[in-house]
This record gives sequence, structure tokens and C-alpha cells, in this order.
Amino acid sequence: KQEVTQIPAALSVPEGENLVLNCSFTDSAIYNLQWFRQDPGKGLTSLLLIQSSQREQTSGRLNASLDKSSGRSTLYIAASQPGDSATYLCAVNSGYSTLTFGKGTMLLVSP
Amino acid sequence: DAGVTQSPTHLIKTRGQQVTLRCSPKSGHDTVSWYQQALGQGPQFIFQYYEEEERQRGNFPDRFSGHQFPNYSSELNVNALLLGDSALYLCASSFWEGTDGYTFGSGTRLTVV
Repeated sequence: KQEVTQIPAALSVPEGENLVLNCSFTDSAIYNLQWFRQDPGKGLTSLLLIQSSQREQTSGRLNASLDKSSGRSTLYIAASQPGDSATYLCAVNSGYSTLTFGKGTMLLVSP
Repeated sequence: DAGVTQSPTHLIKTRGQQVTLRCSPKSGHDTVSWYQQALGQGPQFIFQYYEEEERQRGNFPDRFSGHQFPNYSSELNVNALLLGDSALYLCASSFWEGTDGYTFGSGTRLTVV
């Protein structure tokens, strides 16, 4: 059974800092991994999708890496802004028609 | 290009009642999945529908049932509501098994009183 862990559970940083969110998973046999953003009480917005054959993906100030063999992914946010404040969720697609989610990292960026 | 549409956005029901939530998938997607998210937790998989059949089911009781229509839209039904069913219900659509990723809707907030 796939298990996903996200560290830290919460993070508070001043505006402008670069930061890294971590995601680990127990079963390396995955199709892909997806990072989502969730604002309070809202749905999930997809940020980046990394296929199992890829090492990283970039979108603007966001960069996600994947090390399938060690069961780890990181989400790097450059030059953080108050608008980045949200919960970030890591989800692993291991097939079997399901996504397995971590509990998320709650990020607060203060002006 | 419309994304995933869910209705209603909020719902308040009494314990023991039944509820139906609706979802329209993103254009081009043929698969719909439903997730339950309790406060402070990651989403938990309920089930997935493809070609109008339940393809996979998570660890949820059979009070939770669903349906997929020929136009790929889907419904989630919950019978005999319990207080513990209060949660955000998320619908996600994908093509086949999500090899190109999943797209989520804005969710339905269900409160059981």
C-alpha cells in the first residue's frame, strides 16, 4: 500500500525567501507524481506533473524534482510572495486508478 | 475550456438523510474520481468511474455509491448520513488512469447536523 508523507506540516517564511517542500513515498513503482495547491476551503489546483521517467519539471517560480528510486520529490518555490500562502499537496499515481495524497504542507508567506 | 464543475458548492443535511453531489468532467476526459477530504487531512479516494462502471473503490462503506452517465458526468450519492460524513467532497477527472494528470473541481462542502 502506497503511503505519502509531507514534511514540514507547516512553514512560515518572510516574503522573498526561497523554500523547499518535501514529499516522500513508500512504493517507487509509480506512474507520475503531481503537486497541487489548495486555498482554504477550496478545490485543488494542479501546479506540476512529473512523469516517472522525468527528473524535474519547472513552471515559473516553481520547480519540482523526482527521485523515484529513493521515493522522494521536492517542490522548490523561488522568491516567495504572500500570494503563495496556501496548502501544498503531493499526490502519487501508482496506477490502480487512484491518487495517494500526503497531508500537505501549510505555507504562510508574510509581507 | 471549462474545467471540472461541481454542484452544489455547499450543502447542509440532517443525520440520516440522503445526498447527491454532481460533477461534470473537463472536456476530453473520460474518467471521474471522487475524493473525501476531512479538515486538515489529504483527500481520500472514494471510487472511480470509467465507461459508466465503477472501476476501483477505496475503503468506504456501501452507503457511498455513484453513477457515471454517457456524457461522462457523474454523481456521488451518500445514504443514511452520519455526522462523520461532513467533509469537502472533491471530483477529479482524467483521461484513462491519469497518465496526463488529474484535474480537480472546486469541491462540495457537506455539513451533516
